[in-house]
Amino acid sequence: DAGVIQSPRHEVTEMGQEVTLRCKPISGHDYLFWYRQTMMRGLELLIYFNNNVPIDDSGMPEDRFSAKMPNASFSTLKIQPSEPRDSAVYFCASTRRGPTGGYTFGSGTRLTVV
Amino acid sequence: GENVEQHPSTLSVQEGDSAVIKCTYSDSASNYFPWYKQELGKRPQLIIDIRSNVGEKKDQRIAVTLNKTAKHFSLHITETQPEDSAVYFCAARKDDKIIFGKGTRLHILP
Repeated sequence: DAGVIQSPRHEVTEMGQEVTLRCKPISGHDYLFWYRQTMMRGLELLIYFNNNVPIDDSGMPEDRFSAKMPNASFSTLKIQPSEPRDSAVYFCASTRRGPTGGYTFGSGTRLTVV
Repeated sequence: GENVEQHPSTLSVQEGDSAVIKCTYSDSASNYFPWYKQELGKRPQLIIDIRSNVGEKKDQRIAVTLNKTAKHFSLHITETQPEDSAVYFCAARKDDKIIFGKGTRLHILP
């Protein structure tokens, strides 16, 4: 298995532009999570899906952020309009419910908004 | 919701010595406690985990302990090596969500 795949690895955009981050979970994993990592706030859970359905989006910072999971193998996190304070590394992770419990993280997308 | 506190934020130990990182959690319903290691510029990777029905677990130089009554758990690394230098995150899972501590930056000194 190729693991959790995220794209792009790096994104630099101007303030006000729309940004779309992409994630492909591990096949067979029915949970998908989006995290944001910054030095100040650490790893913050933004939203998670179970069987493609959003379960908890309480961590989404504001209406500028939205996430979708149209099918079991693809999810997007969109920021519109982007702001400099959105600069961070965004990780996607997936897991399968069961005794194992841990997540597998993707390589992350480093977003810089200038 | 769950809140995970982690200490210290930075830890420097001499190569060969032991390192201990401590965490507390707030929700007594949390039942799974993973630890992740993140090297510079890379993704967090699971290194060890413990379930709430177990008090201690060991894997070579790494061990975790859990005190459910006090709601705290710890990571112990013995005989530290240069490749142990990284940021370590503790976490607590309740239902389907894993909440992370803020991380501990571990420096192994030569």
